Amino acid sequence: ETGVTQTPRHLVMGMTNKKSLKCEQHLGHNAMYWYKQSAKKPLELMFVYSLEERVENNSVPSRFSPECPNSSHLFLHLHTLQPEDSALYLCASSPRGGLDTQYFGPGTRLTVL
Amino acid sequence: GESVGLHLPTLSVQEGDNSIINCAYSNSASDYFIWYKQESGKGPQFIIDIRSNMDKRQGQRVTVLLNKTVKHLSLQIAATQPGDSAVYFCAESITSGGSYIPTFGRGTSLIVHP
Repeated sequence: ETGVTQTPRHLVMGMTNKKSLKCEQHLGHNAMYWYKQSAKKPLELMFVYSLEERVENNSVPSRFSPECPNSSHLFLHLHTLQPEDSALYLCASSPRGGLDTQYFGPGTRLTVL
Repeated sequence: GESVGLHLPTLSVQEGDNSIINCAYSNSASDYFIWYKQESGKGPQFIIDIRSNMDKRQGQRVTVLLNKTVKHLSLQIAATQPGDSAVYFCAESITSGGSYIPTFGRGTSLIVHP
């Protein structure tokens, strides 16, 4: 266990559904990340939050909406997704924003029907 | 656009052998590189990193080599063990200006036979 938890671990949703992914860390880290890992593409950084403020957006479609209410929690709100959005969504945290100190959660396996 | 890619999608080795996993990167401005290990059902795990002012760095049973001339990165695992079986992928980033936005490689699946 890395200290980063994600819920749910598996999610199946229709294209008209609205769902949210949750990430939680109690490591005292100041930066949190959302990544997308699909079968056909390399790992992609979606969002970065540092001290609860969004730092990088990385041109992610608006159907993905992140929320970071505090330094321990990160959400990814999903609405009107497409089948190609099916992937493993990984959350990570780091003390100061460095890649070398990132701790990843186990991911949420999302399937969009 | 810039990309990071791996030469071999699957590498099978015998327990005790040394493993070498390769990665090519295309952005000559990248100055920081990381190797990750991802076991089935888990998130990626940092293994070792190297900055562009170095060409070699060693960890416990792992060595990363960086050849900036040909934009090539490799991960060497000594005395490979069954527990090393996982997907390994590299990442490159540009750290100047404080931004660490990474570009990741696709990954190589390492299979270690006992």
